[in-house]
Amino acid sequence: QKEVEQNSGPLSVPEGAIASLNCTYSDRGSQSFFWYRQYSGKSPELIMFIYSNGDKEDGRFTAQLNKASQYVSLLIRDSQPSDSATYLCALDTGNQFYFGTGTSLTVIP
Amino acid sequence: EPEVTQTPSHQVTQMGQEVILRCVPISNHLYFYWYRQILGQKVEFLVSFYNNEISEKSEIFDDQFSVERPDGSNFTLKIRSTKLEDSAMYFCASSVTGTGYGNTIYFGEGSWLTVV
Repeated sequence: QKEVEQNSGPLSVPEGAIASLNCTYSDRGSQSFFWYRQYSGKSPELIMFIYSNGDKEDGRFTAQLNKASQYVSLLIRDSQPSDSATYLCALDTGNQFYFGTGTSLTVIP
Repeated sequence: EPEVTQTPSHQVTQMGQEVILRCVPISNHLYFYWYRQILGQKVEFLVSFYNNEISEKSEIFDDQFSVERPDGSNFTLKIRSTKLEDSAMYFCASSVTGTGYGNTIYFGEGSWLTVV
C-alpha cells in the first residue's frame, strides 16, 4: 500500500497569512508529487506538481519536496477566503496516482 | 481550455441494476482513468486505460466493473449489479502520457452515483 498521510485539519488561517500544508509518504520510489485543490462536491483541480528536491514557486503557491525525509509541503502566501477548500496531496509511483485524505483549509476574512 | 466531460452528473439507481458512466477525455490525451471518492473519504484509483486496454487496476476494480472505449471519443465505466457501497462520486481523468515525471492527470467534474 502506497501511503500518503496528511493532517485532516481543519486548518484555519486569517486572510493574508501563510497557510502551510504538509504531506508525508511511504514509497521511496515515488517520482512526482502533486497538490490538488478540491471544493466540496467538486473534482480535484491541479495546483502544481514537483519532482525535484527543493522549492518550486507558482504565484502565491510554493511546493517543497524533501525526498530524504519523504515529505512534501504546500505554502499558500497571502491566503484568500477563496482558498478555503480541501487540499489533496498525490504521488505518482510511475504506475498510478495515490491520494491522501486531504487537509481542510479555512481562510477567515 | 480543453476539459474532461462526464455524464450523467448525478444518477440514482436501484441496487442490483447496471450503471454506465460516460466520459469524453481531452482530445489529444492518450491515457484514461477512473477514480472514485466515497463521501468524506479519499480519492481512490480504480483503473487506467491505454491503447484500448487496461494498463493498471486496483483491488477495488473487480469483476463487477468494466471499462470500454466504444469509439474515438468516449470512455465508459460499467458497474454491473450495483451495491449500496458503490455509492460515490466517480471521476474520469485523462493525461497526455502515462504517469511519470511531471505528467499531470486532469479530472472531469464527476458523476455522483447513489445506489438505493
